[in-house]
Amino acid sequence: QSALTQPPSASGSPGQSVTISCSGTSSDVGGYNYVSWYQQHPGKAPKLIIYEVSKRPSGVPDRFSGSKSGNTASLTVSGLQAEDEGDYYCSSYAGSNKFEFGGGTKLTVL
Amino acid sequence: EVQLVESGGGLVQPGGSLRLSCAASGFTFSSHWMHWVRQSPGKGLEWVSRIYPDGTTTSYADSVKGRFTTSRDNAKNTLYLQMNSLRVEDTAVYYCAGERNPGGVDWGQGTLVNVAS
Repeated sequence: QSALTQPPSASGSPGQSVTISCSGTSSDVGGYNYVSWYQQHPGKAPKLIIYEVSKRPSGVPDRFSGSKSGNTASLTVSGLQAEDEGDYYCSSYAGSNKFEFGGGTKLTVL
Repeated sequence: EVQLVESGGGLVQPGGSLRLSCAASGFTFSSHWMHWVRQSPGKGLEWVSRIYPDGTTTSYADSVKGRFTTSRDNAKNTLYLQMNSLRVEDTAVYYCAGERNPGGVDWGQGTLVNVAS
């Protein structure tokens, strides 16, 4: 069982927006601003799309945005495109130099 | 361009040992925290270990603590994971990851470790 809780699936039509949640505790998500999000396509390595809750690495489209409220972080994908389909994982620093991942959310573009 | 290339995976019997390596390039390896993360077949990501830039501090997931050891050679831009007393449940793709952004990592392509008799 993963330390961070994500919905197993999410979906949306092209052009729509979808939000994926990542629920933790005050010892991880709520206690630090080191929440990151990763996109993984089948058979590929994960790719960093958000770090420090809401920052995007260079090259990541601004359709991807992150936020946090209390012990829950969220990833929003706006203007859904077919290539956004894949698995999304959240991660958080959990103190004592340790990290945690969520169980992952499978995003389907209808 | 950041490149992280893992090697050393393979088939090993339960109770056996294996050492993974990760060759880094395209960034200042010695300045960044490094991680190992694994993914069991068809499952999600599991954080395994993190090591300080100079190698003096390491941390581990409870599931591997006491069995796995992470180290690095900054002169060779290489990260290592020594895995002992391997169990069937350690079967996974092991990814090397570099923390160039605070709390966020770049990933290698992974190497498969299969623990089976």
